[in-house]
Amino acid sequence: GNSVTQMEGPVTLSEEAFLTINCTYTATGYPSLFWYVQYPGEGLQLLLKATKADDKGSNKGFEATYRKETTSFHLEKGSVQVSDSAVYFCALSNTGRRALTFGSGTRLQVQP
Amino acid sequence: NAGVTQTPKFQVLKTGQSMTLQCAQDMNHNSMYWYRQDPGMGLRLIYYSASEGTTDKGEVPNGYNVSRLNKREFSLRLESAAPSQTSVYFCASTDKVMGAYNEQFFGPGTRLTVL
Repeated sequence: GNSVTQMEGPVTLSEEAFLTINCTYTATGYPSLFWYVQYPGEGLQLLLKATKADDKGSNKGFEATYRKETTSFHLEKGSVQVSDSAVYFCALSNTGRRALTFGSGTRLQVQP
Repeated sequence: NAGVTQTPKFQVLKTGQSMTLQCAQDMNHNSMYWYRQDPGMGLRLIYYSASEGTTDKGEVPNGYNVSRLNKREFSLRLESAAPSQTSVYFCASTDKVMGAYNEQFFGPGTRLTVL
């Protein structure tokens, strides 16, 4: 079946530090991959996505590259801000299942 | 354009009580979903509706029922609430793009506590 594994948090960084949140997946076929962000007290918002191997998704300074050979979709940002503090979820969509499979989430705390 | 809306935002129930969580979307999406979010477990699919008139079980359907009232609305019912159903519930919707399911759009969530 499908599964997504994320690094456990919390991840605590100082402002302007480099961010990496690791995500690996197991899936049949060719899934689409997503990063969602959840700010305190809110629902999930799509941060970025990639639909085929070697695609790079990017948004608001965040990037992730779909690596089929390593089944990974790691999230990176060159310089984090306090406003990036949130929980980040890696997810995949497999057309056979018609639903998202989520990782457990990684809480990011950015200190000024 | 409100996107996905959910009511209520918060609810406290006693064990054995029943309630219905409401969800509506105004994006003309065919597919709608109910997830629950528990600490350290990400989101898990309870039920989904691929299109109006159809519903299917997800990973954790026990203790829940759903109704796809029309294309806009998808409700989740707890017939006899249990403390294990204390969670945050999210509704989501999506549609097919180029034959594949696209990203899902989420509501703000309902925080449910069962005492």
